Parts: sequence; structure tokens; C-alpha cells
Amino acid sequence: ELKVEQNPLFLSMQEGKNYTIYCNYSTTSDRLYWYRQDPGKSLESLFVLLSNGAVKQEGRLMASLDTKARLSTLHITAAVHDLSATYFCAVVPLTGNQFYFGTGTSLTVIP
Amino acid sequence: ETGVTQTPRHLVMGMTNKKSLKCEQHLGHNAMYWYKQSAKKPLELMFVYNFKEQTENNSVPSRFSPECPNSSHLFLHLHTLQPEDSALYLCASSQEGPLGSPNEQFFGPGTRLTVL
Repeated sequence: ELKVEQNPLFLSMQEGKNYTIYCNYSTTSDRLYWYRQDPGKSLESLFVLLSNGAVKQEGRLMASLDTKARLSTLHITAAVHDLSATYFCAVVPLTGNQFYFGTGTSLTVIP
Repeated sequence: ETGVTQTPRHLVMGMTNKKSLKCEQHLGHNAMYWYKQSAKKPLELMFVYNFKEQTENNSVPSRFSPECPNSSHLFLHLHTLQPEDSALYLCASSQEGPLGSPNEQFFGPGTRLTVL
């Protein structure tokens, strides 16, 4: 059974601090996606990572992909309240076209 | 309208009712998806349509019946649902490449379904 595990599941961090969310998966893949979901809202695409070593940055968020370790990270730099949301990673196996989502990381940034 | 739209946004129904969820994508994509999002669970893929043909059906109970009349519209017909079917139902679309590899999925706002 293909697994996509995120940790932590819940994260409370102070404004201005840095932290990393991890996404581990159990299949061979070179496609990984990060999404953000605000309460009561839909999923918003953040990053698309399509090769080993891919790194993308947008504002205070930076995502990377290590396909050999089957690991992606979402790094938060100098967190602000607006980043409070649930973050999901999703993997597409090399031999398929289905998206497998992680359980999500609920991030709360406190003043 | 832009992106992916879903109607209704909220739906309350009894277990004996029949209702339908509608999804429309304005992105020119060739693949559409239904997901179920329950509290404290990962998103569950229910159905996938590529070029209007159903290609995935992840053991979804027959009380959920999808319909894809064209590449822009997707329906989810509901009948005799159970209270445990209460969830957020999300529609998504993507453009699949020539080898079938999907690109980024774009999600609609979802329908919050409550079954009494």
C-alpha cells in the first residue's frame, strides 16, 4: 500500500521563527506537489516539483525534493500569521497517474 | 467564471434523498477528479475521468454515481447516502500529458455535504 506521511501533523510556531515540514512517501516518483488549504476553503497549489533535487521558493516558503530518499520538505522562513493553514503534499507514482495525498500539516503561527 | 467551480457549496440531505453535485472547469483540461475529504483523513480519490472516460474507481460504494458528459463538466449523483458520507467533496481538473502523466491539479471550492 502506497503511503504518504507528513510530519508534524500539527505545528504551532511563533512569528519570525523557522521550521520545516516533512513529506515521506513509499513509492518511486519524480512528481511531488504541495498545496495549501485554509479553513473551509479549497486546496491552492503552492509548488510543483518534477525532478530529483528540484527546489522552488515563493516568499517565505521553500520546497525541495529528494527522490532517492523519497522525501520532500517545505521550509518556512520567518513565519507570519498569514501562513496559518493546512499544508498537504501529494505524490504521483512513476507507474501511475493517481495523486496520493498526505494527511496534512496544520500550521498555526502565533504572535 | 474562471478555474474550477462547484455547485452547490453546501448541501443537507436525508438518507432517502437523491441529489447531484456539479463541477465545471474552465481551464481546457482533459482530466477531472472527485475527491472526498473527511475530518482528520487524507484526501480520498473517488473517481477519475480522462477524455470523458472513467479510468479510476477506487472501490467507491454504488450510492455514489459519477457522470462526465463532456470534458468540462463532471457530476456526482448521490442516493441513499449514509451519515458517514458527510464530508467535503472536492472536484479537480488537470491536463494529462501524452504518456498519461498528470500535471498539476486545480481544485474547486468544494461542496460541504451533510447527511442526516
